[in-house]
Amino acid sequence: DARVTQTPRHKVTEMGQEVTMRCQPILGHNTVFWYRQTMMQGLELLAYFRNRAPLDDSGMPKDRFSAEMPDATLATLKIQPSEPRDSAVYFCASGPGPEAFFGQGTRLTVV
Amino acid sequence: EDQVTQSPEALRLQEGESSSLNCSYTVSGLRGLFWYRQDPGKGPEFLFTLYSAGEEKEKERLKATLTKKESFLHITAPKPEDSATYLCAVQAPTNAGKSTFGDGTTLTVKP
Repeated sequence: DARVTQTPRHKVTEMGQEVTMRCQPILGHNTVFWYRQTMMQGLELLAYFRNRAPLDDSGMPKDRFSAEMPDATLATLKIQPSEPRDSAVYFCASGPGPEAFFGQGTRLTVV
Repeated sequence: EDQVTQSPEALRLQEGESSSLNCSYTVSGLRGLFWYRQDPGKGPEFLFTLYSAGEEKEKERLKATLTKKESFLHITAPKPEDSATYLCAVQAPTNAGKSTFGDGTTLTVKP
């Protein structure tokens, strides 16, 4: 049963610390997305890649967020330094086309 | 700017009581309209893609329909296990891969 795998599932960190979230997309999917979900803003697209190339990262605060795909089996989202307002659930998703298949998410709490 | 509005925000039904969820959208052209289901603590689960007005898709008790301005998710004889938040998203051809999500409708089905 193919699925998107995200680690860690939960992360509590102190303000100012670096946070790295990892994602293994479904094998064969050439599009990878990073979304953030909060009660106030709903689901927001942060960045996405096609064939490992970044296509759009306009949803990310550039000064503190970075997203990469070192290889086809790994996508990373880093926050440095983290702030309390970054607390949210971060989802990775992948897709063979326009539809997205989501992972279980990383629940980030910055205190 | 693409916009998606879902109504109602919350819907409570008795088991077996059929109803519909609405997704109104504004987009510059439509590459696709997507329906997802999200259970608490999980990532959204892809349900349907609709591409053009008049198109319909069905899965078990769910049927999605599309017009030029809105989509409906019809739920026939719902069961308690259909309780979830249902999300609608749209993509424009100019923003290939970038979906705009609505805030969702939270459905509760009472036995």
